[in-house]
Amino acid sequence: DAGVIQSPRHEVTEMGQEVTLRCKPISGHDYLFWYRQTMMRGLELLIYFNNNVPIDDSGMPEDRFSAKMPNASFSTLKIQPSEPRDSAVYFCASTLPGYSGNTIYFGEGSWLTVV
Amino acid sequence: DAKTTQPPSMDCAEGRAANLPCNHSTISGNEYVYWYRQIHSQGPQYIIHGLKNNETNEMASLIITEDRKSSTLILPHATLRDTAVYYCIVSPGDGNKLVFGAGTILRVKS
Repeated sequence: DAGVIQSPRHEVTEMGQEVTLRCKPISGHDYLFWYRQTMMRGLELLIYFNNNVPIDDSGMPEDRFSAKMPNASFSTLKIQPSEPRDSAVYFCASTLPGYSGNTIYFGEGSWLTVV
Repeated sequence: DAKTTQPPSMDCAEGRAANLPCNHSTISGNEYVYWYRQIHSQGPQYIIHGLKNNETNEMASLIITEDRKSSTLILPHATLRDTAVYYCIVSPGDGNKLVFGAGTILRVKS
């Protein structure tokens, strides 16, 4: 399997611009997670989906952030307008829970710099 | 709201066993203990998990105390490539989210 695929891997954008990050989960996985990592705050869960439905978005920092999962094989995280403090690594992850716990697989991350 | 406590950093000599402790004194009966690691510039990687029995796989062993309030991850023969941040997480095993704490920075030295 190709694993969780994220794009773009690196993006530099100017403050005020819209940023869209994309994620393709592992085929067959029905949970999808978006995390953000910064030096100051570590790894933070932003939102997660089950069967394409958002379950918990309490970690989404503010209205400038939105996430969608139109189908089982694709999700987007959008920031509009972007600000320098949004600079971070954004990870997407997916899992298929089993009877004895579940393993969450992470993508390689999208490195975002807002200048 | 991480429910675990880990030392901020540890050193280990290459070839020796690395023993990483984790306290989770408020763990609930349905919560698993998970270990992940993150090598610099990469996404977190699953290592192992367990409920109450000790577990072993090709990467590591997980020792959970009988009262389940603490655990130890053991890398039997640490290599330089095991240098990473190691996260201990407790979570129910039914697809619930993983909440990451600060983890332990393990430095394997030659």
